Amino acid sequence: DTEVTQTPKHLVMGMTNKKSLKCEQHMGHRAMYWYKQKAKKPPELMFVYSYEKLSINESVPSRFSPECPNSSLLNLHLHALQPEDSALYLCASSHLAGGPGNEQFFGPGTRLTVL
Amino acid sequence: GQNIDQPTEMTATEGAIVQINCTYQTSGFNGLFWYQQHAGEAPTFLSYNVLDGLEEKGRFSSFLSRSKGYSYLLLKELQMKDSASYLCAVRDWGGTALIFGKGTTLSVSS
Repeated sequence: DTEVTQTPKHLVMGMTNKKSLKCEQHMGHRAMYWYKQKAKKPPELMFVYSYEKLSINESVPSRFSPECPNSSLLNLHLHALQPEDSALYLCASSHLAGGPGNEQFFGPGTRLTVL
Repeated sequence: GQNIDQPTEMTATEGAIVQINCTYQTSGFNGLFWYQQHAGEAPTFLSYNVLDGLEEKGRFSSFLSRSKGYSYLLLKELQMKDSASYLCAVRDWGGTALIFGKGTTLSVSS
């Protein structure tokens, strides 16, 4: 299994809703990442987990709350989002956060629309 | 500060060779990656350079000069399916984050 899966593929939510994005990998990777990507822009790093512990939070608003229940799963809990949060949310994983090579494998993303 | 520059757009014809350049100025360096991203899809890994020189992988090659803060991705025998965005990304000394350039949109025509 050499893929990262994400659910749902598409999500439409109102500003008062609470929803969660899910990411899963079974490659034995111990680093997992959340990125946000707006149209025609590069991915922007949001969070990094190493060995199930949050190691980087790139000054992301608290309405985004990550969770890493185990080494294979990564969630992103969403609450009280704004329309400008509409974007493609990408999950990625790699063997080690800082090892040589160790490219990040990306999931297909969740297309989020906030109304 | 962190700065990664790539051309915004490039065009080429089927069967041709195209070179996409990337220059970077980052506070640290622990490898440079190239990713391909088709519209609406996730980025897929193409190549990795951490030492100076050329890495070849089939129709794709990537070159790095650390002293010049410069890399390029070379695509040979272009095919229509190569039309995509190509992202240059640098990993910093901490070895965790990838800093992405804005991407180069390549259009291949027949």
